[in-house]
Amino acid sequence: EDKVVQSPLSLVVHEGDTVTLNCSYEVTNFRSLLWYKQEKKAPTFLFMLTSSGIEKKSGRLSSILDKKELFSILNITATQTGDSAVYLCAVEGAAGNKLTFGGGTRVLVKP
Amino acid sequence: ETGVTQSPTHLIKTRGQQVTLRCSSQSGHNTVSWYQQALGQGPQFIFQYYREEENGRGNFPPRFSGLQFPNYSSELNVNALELDDSALYLCASSLGGTTKDTQYFGPGTRLTVL
Repeated sequence: EDKVVQSPLSLVVHEGDTVTLNCSYEVTNFRSLLWYKQEKKAPTFLFMLTSSGIEKKSGRLSSILDKKELFSILNITATQTGDSAVYLCAVEGAAGNKLTFGGGTRVLVKP
Repeated sequence: ETGVTQSPTHLIKTRGQQVTLRCSSQSGHNTVSWYQQALGQGPQFIFQYYREEENGRGNFPPRFSGLQFPNYSSELNVNALELDDSALYLCASSLGGTTKDTQYFGPGTRLTVL
């Protein structure tokens, strides 16, 4: 059965800090790993990673995948209060018909 | 905004009742997936519909059933509601088949079972 574990469970930082979120996974026939940000209801898409070692970047957010060690990290630099959210990591197996999510990391950015 | 819409926004039901939740997929998408998200947890896959056929199911009992229409919108039906069915129900649309496409989520329906 596919499995995703995220750490830490939660963290509190101050504006301007850098945060690193971790995601480790076990999946049969890996297809992709995705990061989502969930503020209130709808998870919003951040990144899709399919290849090892290639960093994806969007503004202050970046993510990288290690397919050998089966993990990914999401970095947020120069955090702002608007970055406060739950960050979800999910993996997709070869069947391509479902995402298996981790429990999420709750990030609180204080002014 | 993803273009995925869900209705209703909130719903309160009592144990034993039945509920139907609705999802309209993003334009051009032919695949809808449904997820249940309990408080404080990540979403759990219920099932997926691709071109009106069920295309995979998670560990949910048969009282969770679904439907996809020719316009690719979808319904999730839950019979004999239990207290543990209280959750946020999310649908996600994507371009399925062999395409490696991202799933885009709707705003969800918050279901409370009393």
